[in-house]
Amino acid sequence: DTAVSQTPKYLVTQMGNDKSIKCEQNLGHDTMYWYKQDSKKFLKIMFSYNNKELIINETVPNRFSPKSPDKAHLNLHINSLELGDSAVYFCASSPTGHESYEQYFGPGTRLTVT
Amino acid sequence: DQQVKQNSPSLSVQEGRISILNCDYTNSMFDYFLWYKKYPAEGPTFLISISSIKDKNEDGRFTVFLNKSAKHLSLHIVPSQPGDSAVYFCAASPAMNTGFQKLVFGTGTRLLVSP
Repeated sequence: DTAVSQTPKYLVTQMGNDKSIKCEQNLGHDTMYWYKQDSKKFLKIMFSYNNKELIINETVPNRFSPKSPDKAHLNLHINSLELGDSAVYFCASSPTGHESYEQYFGPGTRLTVT
Repeated sequence: DQQVKQNSPSLSVQEGRISILNCDYTNSMFDYFLWYKKYPAEGPTFLISISSIKDKNEDGRFTVFLNKSAKHLSLHIVPSQPGDSAVYFCAASPAMNTGFQKLVFGTGTRLLVSP
């Protein structure tokens, strides 16, 4: 019973291609996130959605487009992939409310652009 | 601009001893602080947190201390166990006014606990 799942776990592709990473959570949370962990191990937020609505967009190139078909899913589509997009991408979710700051992370998708 | 810093990339400790992981932050708007633990090929998992109105929070073997004036927090693990070997991330968030979080993470400290 994986709480936050991502597919695929590994993705190797060539520059210029378009790819998608999928994320699903079964925790009933309202808010979902995408993070990027680069080669220097910085874990930085990219996007956040609450009930299918974009609430955080952190200066990410518009080649990255998140899509939330429903509040349990947040997919990340990347157009025209570049070498610098190689990283581990983590999806996360959290309940909405003032009580909890915890976020629950998926296992990550390692993207390698060649 | 790195708002959350973990200046020690690694720490080695013997089993049974105390592990102390440190974290410094620069943004005085941060109101809530968390520690996450990460094993290889897995996502970070929440470990313990502390609100800025407290200076200590304890959960079993894990204690987090917050020194707001120094903008410093630390995680103490006592006694350390080999299963604690992982990368530990410090994270901070400004107060949630909207109910949505914006966590800022440090770069992590790799803890190795040897038997």
